Amino acid sequence: AQTVTQSQPEMSVQEAETVTLSCTYDTSESDYYLFWYKQPPSRQMILVIRQEAYKQQNATENRFSVNFQKAAKSFSLKISDSQLGDAAMYFCAYRSSGANSKLTFGKGITLSVRP
Amino acid sequence: GAGVSQSPRYKVTKRGQDVALRCDPISGHVSLYWYRQALGQGPEFLTYFNYEAQQDKSGLPNDRFSAERPEGSISTLTIQRTEQRDSAMYRCASSLSPDQPQHFGDGTRLSIL
Repeated sequence: AQTVTQSQPEMSVQEAETVTLSCTYDTSESDYYLFWYKQPPSRQMILVIRQEAYKQQNATENRFSVNFQKAAKSFSLKISDSQLGDAAMYFCAYRSSGANSKLTFGKGITLSVRP
Repeated sequence: GAGVSQSPRYKVTKRGQDVALRCDPISGHVSLYWYRQALGQGPEFLTYFNYEAQQDKSGLPNDRFSAERPEGSISTLTIQRTEQRDSAMYRCASSLSPDQPQHFGDGTRLSIL
């Protein structure tokens, strides 16, 4: 079974600075998808970014980018020019590329942004 | 609709009662998923459907939990004889197809007294 580990329960960043959130996962599969979801205090679950394992190029979405290290099974999220609205809980998630498309989530990390 | 809609938003009920949680996915989305999220934790998979067919129910904790999607659109998650340990946020997600990203609803906060 796949597992996703987010070992840092909390992080803090100064507004306008850059922060990196860590995630590792365990799988025996060679093809899969990885995601970062944001959960603000409103309790929504918002997709931030997605990475296909077969793509070597790291995904980017505006201020958000990932560092995908397939051999190390590491998938970190970098937030540049942090804004107050980035304060939220962030979840890393794994999905197999096979028939079963369920998501496996990590425990999440709470990010606070200091003004 | 524009997004995944879940109702009710909050549900408080007494232990032993049955509850039914509703999910209305994004129009045209084939796949529908149910997750449960405890406070301070990540969502945990319960079950999912493609169209009306339940593809995987391995995450349902026990036989008090069941789900259906009879017409391939709206889904209902039913919990019978509720227990305090069932208290959690129940989230529904849908995707255009199984390989597309999942879009989540705002969840139903269930509290069992």
